[in-house]
Amino acid sequence: DVKVTQSSRYLVKRTGEKVFLECVQDMDHENMFWYRQDPGLGLRLIYFSYDVKMKEKGDIPEGYSVSREKKERFSLILESASTNQTSMYLCASSNWGGTEAFFGQGTRLTVV
Amino acid sequence: QKEVEQNSGPLSVPEGAIASLNCTYSDRGSQSFFWYRQYSGKSPELIMSIYSNGDKEDGRFTAQLNKASQYVSLLIRDSQPSDSATYLCAVLTGGYQKVTFGTGTKLQVIP
Repeated sequence: DVKVTQSSRYLVKRTGEKVFLECVQDMDHENMFWYRQDPGLGLRLIYFSYDVKMKEKGDIPEGYSVSREKKERFSLILESASTNQTSMYLCASSNWGGTEAFFGQGTRLTVV
Repeated sequence: QKEVEQNSGPLSVPEGAIASLNCTYSDRGSQSFFWYRQYSGKSPELIMSIYSNGDKEDGRFTAQLNKASQYVSLLIRDSQPSDSATYLCAVLTGGYQKVTFGTGTKLQVIP
């Protein structure tokens, strides 16, 4: 079974902190994604990566950065957390070629 | 115009009825289309994928794609209370494997 694992299920951080969300997949997938999910707004793409060290902005990249140093690991970084970044963050991975995306269990981040 | 649009619902159907979920997309170059189910507090899981015009059936689920009308639908036959969830339409767009999701339709199956 494909496994996508996010480092934390719940996280509480203070405004202004630098926050790292980690995601690891074990299926050798080329593509990895970071989404945030908010009520009424659905899943919105923050960043995605189609190869090691490659990244592309999604629809809402402001306030975020990413790192992909190894194929299996994709990190989301909040440079200076703000309360409007309180959300559910979902990592996903997929094969090159547009097959299904597999999701991690999600990280519920609260910024106070 | 949003890239992928769905009615947020809730869509309420009685147990045993057919639930019909709809999705429209804006990019004519879109290649692959997916339906995900998401239970409250859980991550999305894929239930159907469709790549060419027409119908695709898998058990009680049928996905329908009409590229000319830029329209994807999901039919759930013999709806069960366990089908109550939010259904997300997703579309693969662009050359970089970008997957865009609709906001989801909440389905409630009434026993």
